[in-house]
Amino acid sequence: DAGVIQSPRHEVTEMGQEVTLRCKPISGHNSLFWYRQTMMRGLELLIYFNNNVPIDDSGMPEDRFSAKMPNASFSTLKIQPSEPRDSAVYFCASSFRRVQGRGYTFGSGTRLTVV
Amino acid sequence: GDSVTQMEGPVTLSEEAFLTINCTYTATGYPSLFWYVQYPGEGLQLLLKATKADDKGSNKGFEATYRKETTSFHLEKGSVQVSDSAVYFCALRGDAGGTSYGKLTFGQGTILTVHP
Repeated sequence: DAGVIQSPRHEVTEMGQEVTLRCKPISGHNSLFWYRQTMMRGLELLIYFNNNVPIDDSGMPEDRFSAKMPNASFSTLKIQPSEPRDSAVYFCASSFRRVQGRGYTFGSGTRLTVV
Repeated sequence: GDSVTQMEGPVTLSEEAFLTINCTYTATGYPSLFWYVQYPGEGLQLLLKATKADDKGSNKGFEATYRKETTSFHLEKGSVQVSDSAVYFCALRGDAGGTSYGKLTFGQGTILTVHP
């Protein structure tokens, strides 16, 4: 099992540019989560999907952020336009929703720097 | 809603010292409880878990017991090593009867540094 795969590992972009982060969950997992981690705010849940359907996007900071899950094996998080305050590490995680007691499996994260 | 409160860090210890990181939670029903560890530059990894009251999760010398009466899940290790230096997160997952089922709620994380 390759685990949760995120790409790119690092992204440096200029303010105002569009950024797309990608995630491939573990095969068979039916829940997918996007988190943002910063020193100031810690680990924040941005959005999560069950069976490819967005369930809770209340953590998405503003309209510049959007997430999609077109199929069970792929999700994207897009920021457009990007701003320096979006600089953070973005994690994707996946899980089995219906299995009580299961934790998440996290990807290695994408470190985003907006200059 | 569900919440997790962890002991504030950073925690600095000498090698072979005893470690406790406190974690308390607020949730309805019978959540599952977890400890995750994040090493520098990496994602979070599941360290241990407990799914019902009085369960003890253990892994790599770390232990935590699910105490429903005190709503706690404190992490302990008898003798820490330099390689245990990392950030530790306590988390809960709501049970099937709750509206937050399926979603993990994390504490703020505790930075542990172990010196030789």
